[in-house]
Amino acid sequence: DGGITQSPKYLFRKEGQNVTLSCEQNLNHDAMYWYRQDPGQGLRLIYYSQIVNDFQKGDIAEGYSVSREKKESFPLTVTSAQKNPTAFYLCASSTSASGLGVGTGELFFGEGSRLTVL
Amino acid sequence: DAKTTQPTSMDCAEGRAANLPCNHSTISGNEYVYWYRQIHSQGPQYIIHGLKNNETNEMASLIITEDRKSSTLILPHATLRDTAVYYCIVRSGSQGNLIFGKGTKLSVKP
Repeated sequence: DGGITQSPKYLFRKEGQNVTLSCEQNLNHDAMYWYRQDPGQGLRLIYYSQIVNDFQKGDIAEGYSVSREKKESFPLTVTSAQKNPTAFYLCASSTSASGLGVGTGELFFGEGSRLTVL
Repeated sequence: DAKTTQPTSMDCAEGRAANLPCNHSTISGNEYVYWYRQIHSQGPQYIIHGLKNNETNEMASLIITEDRKSSTLILPHATLRDTAVYYCIVRSGSQGNLIFGKGTKLSVKP
């Protein structure tokens, strides 16, 4: 079945460690996104990529890094520079940058990864 | 910042229609209204979107006022599985991220 797969679902990390969250999609979507969600809050955009080998910072990119070497993959690294990394991380994709531009604007989300820093 | 205002929470009886309001008084002519919902600890799910006309699909109906400053999402026969946070979002058709506010927490009760 087509969709977005995030892994791991739960992750624990010690302070000072980098951690990479995986996001894979088989929807043949050009655009992919990473959001962060804190308890009781909405989603905030971290990074997005409209095409392979290109990505842009979102509203809260500090302390995060991404890569987009393949169309289907958009991993997010939470670095030790991120001051408060404990959160729920959501990956999404959309057709031809429609999440940001012309199109239906429909984003398809993964099930999320919950990161806890100990 | 989110361009929409929604009530923090609402209750609805199972089997009844759930009407979720959203104010977007600063909406511009090329901005669409989108609705997503998020069941606890899952990724958001697209429900519906519209520009000017009312829209209906298998999940819900979207009623947009004539001045486009507010809209209502209608779940015609709410079930317990519709308990979720519902996000109303406005976004330009040509550019702009989907900005998620805090949404409305809908609780469907037996």
